[in-house]
Amino acid sequence: GAGVSQSPSNKVTEKGKDVELRCDPISGHTALYWYRQSLGQGLEFLIYFQGNSAPDKSGLPSDRFSAERTGGSVSTLTIQRTQQEDSAVYLCASSWTGGPTYEQYFGPGTRLTVT
Amino acid sequence: DAKTTQPNSMESNEEEPVHLPCNHSTISGTDYIHWYRQLPSQGPEYVIHGLTSNVNNRMASLAIAEDRKSSTLILHRATLRDAAVYYCILRDAINAGNNRKLIWGLGTSLAVNP
Repeated sequence: GAGVSQSPSNKVTEKGKDVELRCDPISGHTALYWYRQSLGQGLEFLIYFQGNSAPDKSGLPSDRFSAERTGGSVSTLTIQRTQQEDSAVYLCASSWTGGPTYEQYFGPGTRLTVT
Repeated sequence: DAKTTQPNSMESNEEEPVHLPCNHSTISGTDYIHWYRQLPSQGPEYVIHGLTSNVNNRMASLAIAEDRKSSTLILHRATLRDAAVYYCILRDAINAGNNRKLIWGLGTSLAVNP
């Protein structure tokens, strides 16, 4: 079946511009995660959605970052007034639920470069 | 929060077994041990997970020490496609919030020689 998809695959933007990154999770998965991976680093949690519950935004690095999930499916991560330190690969993952035994399925990521 | 430590890199030859170690000496009784791998330019991919008993699936085996302070991911016959970064992660069964805040480490970069 279809996996997690993300768009765009690459995004180059100028410092100060806003960007939107999209994630289409696997159909039926209620949990959705956003992570950030800087060059040569491990994954850093950003935000988590579970069903209709309020999202866990505790990983967002600043108020320039926000995300929403419409209809319990597609999610958009928005970065306002981008900075060079925002350059990274942004990964989305989904799972059946957020429980500890459920594997996360990751998308291919969006590589963001801020010039 | 429980943490894991892994060697930065390992090397193997094609068609030979690979044992990837992970130390998690501060693991709690309700932490699940998960392994993911990340191939170049791709998102991470689930490999296997376990709690106390050894586990096998089509991709790999997971051997968990009796005291659970360490585990080993076993690839029975390495192929060139197994060259990836392997991450060992603990997921808390009680406080799901801890899992979300977990920062994945650098993992073990596995090179497979033809």
